[in-house]
Amino acid sequence: QKEVEQNSGPLSVPEGAIASLNCTYSDRGSQSFFWYRQYSGKSPELIMFIYSNGDKEDGRFTAQLNKASQYVSLLIRDSQPSDSATYLCAGDSGGSNYKLTFGKGTLLTVNP
Amino acid sequence: ETGVTQSPTHLIKTRGQQVTLRCSSQSGHNTVSWYQQALGQGPQFIFQYYREEENGRGNFPPRFSGLQFPNYSSELNVNALELDDSALYLCASRPSGGRGFHEQYFGPGTRLTVT
Repeated sequence: QKEVEQNSGPLSVPEGAIASLNCTYSDRGSQSFFWYRQYSGKSPELIMFIYSNGDKEDGRFTAQLNKASQYVSLLIRDSQPSDSATYLCAGDSGGSNYKLTFGKGTLLTVNP
Repeated sequence: ETGVTQSPTHLIKTRGQQVTLRCSSQSGHNTVSWYQQALGQGPQFIFQYYREEENGRGNFPPRFSGLQFPNYSSELNVNALELDDSALYLCASRPSGGRGFHEQYFGPGTRLTVT
């Protein structure tokens, strides 16, 4: 069973702090990894994807991938109350049918 | 807004009934995937359609079926509804290649409740 594991949280950080979200995966065939943000009652929104080892930065968000350790993380700098949401980590299946396997998500709360 | 639309927004059905959910993909996206998200869980892959053919399926029984039309819109059909089918059903579209290949965007979802 190919799995993506996330700490369900909740993770609580003060406004302006760095939030660190982590994810591990079991399928070594996965090539690309995705972070989605999901507000309560809404559909997932793509924040970032990463497919190379190392860091990828986009504004206040940094994704990190370590394929040897099968570990993916998302850092959110200068956290804002509007960042409060569930963050879903997903890995792809590789190949042509390209399905995503999601973790259960981590609930992040940013306190003003 | 992702450009992916779904209908209806909410639906209530009775156990044993059949349901059809609809999705219009983002312009230029010829690949559509369907996911089921139960409360408190991550989305689970149901199947994917490319050029009107199913080209990938998750661990869902045959009573979950789909179609893709020439304009790349898609339907998800579920027969013999069970209580556990109550979930948010998400449609996602992406191009089959090119720069946006990795970027799968979800529609707003259809909330299905089975009583």
